[in-house]
Amino acid sequence: QQPVQSPQAVILREGEDAVINCSSSKALYSVHWYRQKHGEAPVFLMILLKGGEQKGHEKISASFNEKKQQSSLYLTASQLSYSGTYFCGTPENSGGSNYKLTFGKGTLLTVNP
Amino acid sequence: KAGVTQTPRYLIKTRGQQVTLSCSPISGHRSVSWYQQTPGQGLQFLFEYFSETQRNKGNFPGRFSGRQFSNSRSEMNVSTLELGDSALYLCASSLGQGSGISGYTFGSGTRLTVV
Repeated sequence: QQPVQSPQAVILREGEDAVINCSSSKALYSVHWYRQKHGEAPVFLMILLKGGEQKGHEKISASFNEKKQQSSLYLTASQLSYSGTYFCGTPENSGGSNYKLTFGKGTLLTVNP
Repeated sequence: KAGVTQTPRYLIKTRGQQVTLSCSPISGHRSVSWYQQTPGQGLQFLFEYFSETQRNKGNFPGRFSGRQFSNSRSEMNVSTLELGDSALYLCASSLGQGSGISGYTFGSGTRLTVV
């Protein structure tokens, strides 16, 4: 079952903050986040594991609440380079292998000067 | 180190034809997963190969098939092409089966257009 991302799109000015949410109707064991810039391949940002772990990448951090079956990606003091489409991915099974990632439809983030 | 290489980058085919796409994973990576990306459906999982065996499969018709060779390179084949098969096909490699905790490394994709 495909996770649901919100919002679908967000426009920011450089320096502003944004939050992207990812929720699932099934139990989650981990959540993956990727960013895809226009015309490029998706790039792995981070993985969130069970336990409410919060991870960071540059000024991008994320949280994972397995009870609520949701994850949020926080972009702080956004930079022009943050523009792109952000995808969350959830695996079909538990364990460290994370088989068959199912991705949300993505959130298009545009950062303007 | 070299990234994930997909060939060709662009392809135009006619309805009814068949097509073969190629993916060379990062050296040492043994798992290759394939995804179809379209504006409406996003990233849809096709299948995963690990150690030359298909380990997982998505909800695509039998016209979509693949294989993996002993050097971990993978090919994906689509037979009897339909207009709806037009998409960006992405290959993702990982060290072990599944994406693990290090995530996938994606190739730049093959843009297939069916006319």
